Amino acid sequence: EAGVTQFPSHSVIEKGQTVTLRCDPISGHDNLYWYRRVMGKEIKFLLHFVKESKQDESGMPNNRFLAERTGGTYSTLKVQPAELEDSGVYFCASSQDRPGLRRETQYFGPGTRLLVL
Amino acid sequence: GDSVTQMEGPVTLSEEAFLTINCTYTATGYPSLFWYVQYPGEGLQLLLKATKADDKGSNKGFEATYRKETTSFHLEKGSVQVSDSAVYFCAHHGNQFYFGTGTSLTVIP
Repeated sequence: EAGVTQFPSHSVIEKGQTVTLRCDPISGHDNLYWYRRVMGKEIKFLLHFVKESKQDESGMPNNRFLAERTGGTYSTLKVQPAELEDSGVYFCASSQDRPGLRRETQYFGPGTRLLVL
Repeated sequence: GDSVTQMEGPVTLSEEAFLTINCTYTATGYPSLFWYVQYPGEGLQLLLKATKADDKGSNKGFEATYRKETTSFHLEKGSVQVSDSAVYFCAHHGNQFYFGTGTSLTVIP
């Protein structure tokens, strides 16, 4: 079974440009999550999709970030315009457990390393 | 608010040494506790978990016990190998996942 995949693996852009990250969850997983790790800090929750609906987007830093999951399959996370502080590793995860279940196991992708210059 | 605090790294050990990575948490209610590991070039993988107080999670020689009284979930391994070199993340799951900052471990032959 294929795991969670993310594209690209690395992205280097200039401040003010736009970048779109993609995540393909494990087939059949309704739950899809985005997280971000800024250098040296903790991994922080950004948002959670259940199928194509945003269940919780309380972690999105500001309106320069837009996440979509059309059709309930893959998801994209767009940053427009990018700022220096957006640099970090963006992880995607998926699960098939009931949302909010405390024993929920999330399966993570390898992450996209974003560097904004 | 909810948070996870784990031992800062980097940690460098010789092969066969004993490993402890400390982790404490702050949470409302009784969350499940997890250790994830990220090997170079790969995504986070679930290493072990515990869902209630006094539970012990174990996998690949690693162990961690859910201690409610000390709000801790320290990771231990009796004899580390070079292949254990990775970044280890402690996490708890209440209404969402909260992660620590990660501890980088390097095991030298």
